[in-house]
Order: sequence, then structure tokens, then C-alpha cells
Amino acid sequence: AQSVTQLGSHVSVSEGALVLLRCNYSSSVPPYLFWYVQYPNQGLQLLLKYTSAATLVKGINGFEAEFKKSETSFHLTKPSAHMSDAAEYFCAVISGNTGNQFYFGTGTSLTVIP
Amino acid sequence: ETGVTQSPTHLIKTRGQQVTLRCSSQSGHNTVSWYQQALGQGPQFIFQYYREEENGRGNFPPRFSGLQFPNYSSELNVNALELDDSALYLCASSLGTTSSSTDTQYFGPGTRLTVL
Repeated sequence: AQSVTQLGSHVSVSEGALVLLRCNYSSSVPPYLFWYVQYPNQGLQLLLKYTSAATLVKGINGFEAEFKKSETSFHLTKPSAHMSDAAEYFCAVISGNTGNQFYFGTGTSLTVIP
Repeated sequence: ETGVTQSPTHLIKTRGQQVTLRCSSQSGHNTVSWYQQALGQGPQFIFQYYREEENGRGNFPPRFSGLQFPNYSSELNVNALELDDSALYLCASSLGTTSSSTDTQYFGPGTRLTVL
């Protein structure tokens, strides 16, 4: 079975500081991993995805994530936080055994302090 | 802007009623998935349709049902509404070249359902 765990339901960083949002996955097969962002009262927007190509994945808005099989992790980072990055972030893994059903983590709320 | 639209944006129903939520996928996307997102939680998979056939279902009772139409629109129907059905309902479409495709899913803005 596939699942993801997001450590830290709330993360606060100062504007200009490093953003690190943690995601660990569990998968019996090579996973496809995604990060989505959700702004208040909106749907989910894709930030980036890992599909077994390069382990370092670059996404939109300056975000990137590194797939580490040995650590079963797919942490999201951004070198310098911007006020507009304040949102809810979700990590997700695809279950390739049952179509493309996504399993989402419980989310991490990012606050950026001016 | 994902090209996926949902209607209505908000809906208030009472316990025991029935509700239909609608989604319009991106043109050419063969797969649509529906998710329930309770307050403060991640989205939970309800079911998926591929070329108008159900193609996977999460841990939701049969009173949650769906339809997908040839014109890339779809519906989520919920019968006998319960208070716990109050949530944001999201649809997501993907290209879906096969029934087991792992294509990126593009989400609509959601329908906020409140059950009183």
C-alpha cells in the first residue's frame, strides 16, 4: 500500500529564509511523488512531480524536491521564502496498482513572517 | 488556471437530502477523479472514472456515486447526506492514456458542501 507522511503540520519561516517541508513515503513499488500547493479557498496546484527520472526535481515558483530512496523521502525546499509562499502544501504518492489514485498527506501549513 | 471547473462553488443541504456536484475536465482528458477534503485534512480519494467507467474506488460507501460523460463533464452524487459529508469536494482530470496511467492530475477549485 502507498502512503505519505508529512512531518510538521505547521511551519513558520522568516521572509528570505530557507523553506523545508518534509515528506516521507511508503510504497511497495517505485513511487510517483508530487507536491501540490493550496491557497485559501482554492483547489490544488501542482508544484512539481517525480517520475523516476532525475532525483532532483525543479518546480514552479523556485521550489525543488529531492527524491532519496534510501531515506524514503521527498522533501520540498525553497532557498528564500516569499510572503506569497504562505499556503497549505500537500505531498502525494500515486498508487500504480489501482489506476492513478493519489494518496495525500495531511498537509503542512506554511507561514511566512515579514 | 488548470482548465478544470466545478459547480456550484458553495452548497448548503440538510441531513438526508441528496446532492449532485459537477465538474468539467480539460478537453481531451479521459480520466476524472473525485476527492473529499475535510477541514484541516488532505484530500481523500472517492473514486475515479476512465472513459465513462469506474476505475477505482476509495473507502467511501455506495451512497457516493458518479458519472462521467463523453463531453468531459462528470458528476458526483451523494445520497442520504450526513453531517460528516460537510467538506470541500475536488475533482481532478488527467490525460489518462490508459486506465492505469500515472499522469499528473489537474484540480478544479472545489465545491464547498455544508450539511446542516
